[in-house]
Order: sequence, then C-alpha cells, then structure tokens
Amino acid sequence: SFELTQPPSVSVSPGQTARITCSGDALPKQYTYWYQQKPGQAPVLVIYKDSERPSGIPERFSGSSSGTTVTLTISGVQAEDEADYYCESADSSSIWVFGGGTKLTVL
Amino acid sequence: EVQLVESGGGLVQPGGPLRLSCAASGFTFSDFWLTWVRQAPGKGLEWVANIKPDGSEKNSVDSVKGRFTISRDNDKSSMSLLMNSLRVEDTAVYYCVVRGLHDFDYWGQGTMVTVSS
Repeated sequence: SFELTQPPSVSVSPGQTARITCSGDALPKQYTYWYQQKPGQAPVLVIYKDSERPSGIPERFSGSSSGTTVTLTISGVQAEDEADYYCESADSSSIWVFGGGTKLTVL
Repeated sequence: EVQLVESGGGLVQPGGPLRLSCAASGFTFSDFWLTWVRQAPGKGLEWVANIKPDGSEKNSVDSVKGRFTISRDNDKSSMSLLMNSLRVEDTAVYYCVVRGLHDFDYWGQGTMVTVSS
C-alpha cells in the first residue's frame, strides 16, 4: 500500500488563499479526490480527479497536480471554509488511501 | 435523490461480533462499487473495505483482514459489514460510501460502533 502525507494544519485570514498539499509516490499514476469535513458531518467531495469541481461547490475551490504532490487551493477563503480537509487516492487494486487530514483555520 | 442509511452500530465487548448494514436508494445499486470508511473519535478517515458491483471482488485494509467481511445484496439494494473479533481500536463512526463516474459521490450519515468492556 502507499501513503499520503498532508500538513496537520493550515491557517489563513479571511479573503486570503489557502493551499493544502498532499504528497505520495503513487499520485502521478492515480487520480486524487479532496473531501471537506465539518464537525459532526459526513465528508463532502470538493474536488475529484485532481482538478474537477463537483456541481454545487464554489469556484474558489480548485485542485492541481505536479509530480508526487497535489494541491487543494481555496481562493478568497471564507469563515465557512473552516473544516478538516482530506485527500484520497487509490492504488491499482481499487484500495483507497486517505491522507491524515489538514485542519484549516480561518483566523 | 441518492440515500445511504447505515444501521447496526452500538456498544459491543472486545472479541464480540457486530453486523452493519447500509440501505441504498435513488440510484442503480448494482452498477456501483460500494465502500465502508471509518473514523475513530477525533481521528482521520480510514478506508475499511469495498466490493465490486457484482460482488466478485472484495478488498479490505490489512488491519481488518480475516475479521471483517463485506457483502452485498443487489436485489435488496443493501450492503453489509460483518465484523468479528472486534477490538477497542475498531471504535469509530462507520460510513457507507458510493462513488461512480465524475462527481457521483455519496456518503451515509454514519453509524457509531463502540468496542468497550
């Protein structure tokens, strides 16, 4: 199996840009998905296939990929974006792996 | 509207069994892989197991191999997770998840499993 590494926390002020990274050796070969989870709620998909945004997700959420690192970018962060964010990918055997999660704090 | 409703969670003693169920509606159940994901209190998400649309392929995380069995009944649009030899570290909220092409991605509300004496 493989591992995905995320920073434990990221802090930004409202209106600034937040970047959350996810690193893993297998990432160049597999798509990455990003989830947002608020306390007491199930996770919500915010980015799929590295950079695609689901319907209903604000345009300020975007994803990018470069080598073994993928990045979730939230432009013009709002207070409601404060949450835990998880990256997820799968190996060739349909086995999912989640990153450890990043707590986004909006100062 | 896609709905996934988990049930079967509760308090169980270490070493005991528990069966979780997931009832699905709002999509063609037999077309999709299904997955269980869990989250221990205050911790991150952990993929537990998944099962192919026709049930012919099943995968699970190493920590539950030999103890947990995933299954599905396409006629009843339901999925189960039979958990045996439960350990304290299996304590978590268990989510039922369906993912398909593009942004088809739905989670249930979760069911809490507590393993404690």
